[in-house]
Amino acid sequence: KAGVTQTPRYLIKTRGQQVTLSCSPISGHRSVSWYQQTPGQGLQFLFEYFSETQRNKGNFPGRFSGRQFSNSRSEMNVSTLELGDSALYLCASSLGGQASTDTQYFGPGTRLTVL
Amino acid sequence: GENVEQHPSTLSVQEGDSAVIKCTYSDSASNYFPWYKQELGKRPQLIIDIRSNVGEKKDQRIAVTLNKTAKHFSLHITETQPEDSAVYFCAASYSGGYQKVTFGTGTKLQVIP
Repeated sequence: KAGVTQTPRYLIKTRGQQVTLSCSPISGHRSVSWYQQTPGQGLQFLFEYFSETQRNKGNFPGRFSGRQFSNSRSEMNVSTLELGDSALYLCASSLGGQASTDTQYFGPGTRLTVL
Repeated sequence: GENVEQHPSTLSVQEGDSAVIKCTYSDSASNYFPWYKQELGKRPQLIIDIRSNVGEKKDQRIAVTLNKTAKHFSLHITETQPEDSAVYFCAASYSGGYQKVTFGTGTKLQVIP
């Protein structure tokens, strides 16, 4: 089975721009979660999608948004980029469902640099 | 919300020695505790996990213990090898109809040959 994939792997943007990141989960996985990883803050939960619905959201401003498509692929969007948004953005997929303590499998991440 | 504290932030051990990483969590409803290993430039990978109905779990040189009463859990690596050098993250998750995993801040383990 193919693993979780993320595109693009690297991205350079300037302040004020917006960006869209993509995540393709493992086949059969219906839950996709997004995390921001920075050296100072570790892994911070952004949001989780299941069956095209956002089930849970972390403490990030409204500039961070996401969506999930019927094939479980997910995108996250960051608008009005700030320097502090520079980070590794990781998505993770799991089977999902009611028993939401399934093992999460991470993608390789998208390294976003905001200049 | 859940808060997970992880200690130490860095750990250096001699090859062959044991390494122990400790985490505490705040939400007594958390019932799933995975551990991830992240090598430099790579994605986090699950190495072992434990559910709240189990006190200990072992997989070769890696073991995890859970104390629900004290709300802490630990990762034990025995006979460490240089390839164990990485950042290790603990996490706590709650099964409430949604997936939300709270991670610890990570422990950078260095195994000295």
